Amino acid sequence: EIVLTQSPATLSLSPGERATLSCRASQSVSSYLAWYQQKPGQAPRLLIYDASNRATGIPARFSGSGSGTDFTLTISSLEPEDFAVYYCQLRSNWPIFTFGPGTKVDIK
Amino acid sequence: EVQLVESGGGLVKPGGSLRLSCAASGFTFSNVWMSWVRQAPGEGLEWVGRIKTKDAGGTTDYVAPVKGRFTISRDDSKNTLYLQMNSLKTEDTAVYYCTTDLGKSYFGSWGQGTLVTVSS
Repeated sequence: EIVLTQSPATLSLSPGERATLSCRASQSVSSYLAWYQQKPGQAPRLLIYDASNRATGIPARFSGSGSGTDFTLTISSLEPEDFAVYYCQLRSNWPIFTFGPGTKVDIK
Repeated sequence: EVQLVESGGGLVKPGGSLRLSCAASGFTFSNVWMSWVRQAPGEGLEWVGRIKTKDAGGTTDYVAPVKGRFTISRDDSKNTLYLQMNSLKTEDTAVYYCTTDLGKSYFGSWGQGTLVTVSS
């Protein structure tokens, strides 16, 4: 079973700063990885799929990269609405799907 | 616009049953694979299971902790997804989200969720 780890657990930054979130898989997963954003009291929202493709309506400040075992979600300049929890998700255990434990981006 | 509206959550005793529904609109429901994802209070996300379209055989897959207890079904004539939950345990307490499968790999659209609390 492939396990996902995310780091850091919490990232404290100020608006306008760059955020770099990491997701690591215990085995190679090619590029079959997604990122989701979840704000308190809301459902998650798909941001990035296939490691680097932005979902419909997602601002260009969000970008994804990586392949194999190491993936990165970058928010180029944090807006106030970007402070949230971010999860990565894997499809390579198909038909089983795995989420990472999440990274909380909070205001410094 | 895609809309997914879950209902049917509530308080149930351990060992009890509950059926969740998800009313879909804004897309051709019969053409889309659907999943349920849950989130225990204060915890992360856990995929529960999915159902394929009838064209793809209409089959289902589940995560190990719910196999044999949960059943996903769909009524394409009513644009509705269901999750029948039997033999509920306290660890099934969570918000349950209905989602669309994007490319059979990811979760493209989400409902607002419905809370299931299993407690005596």
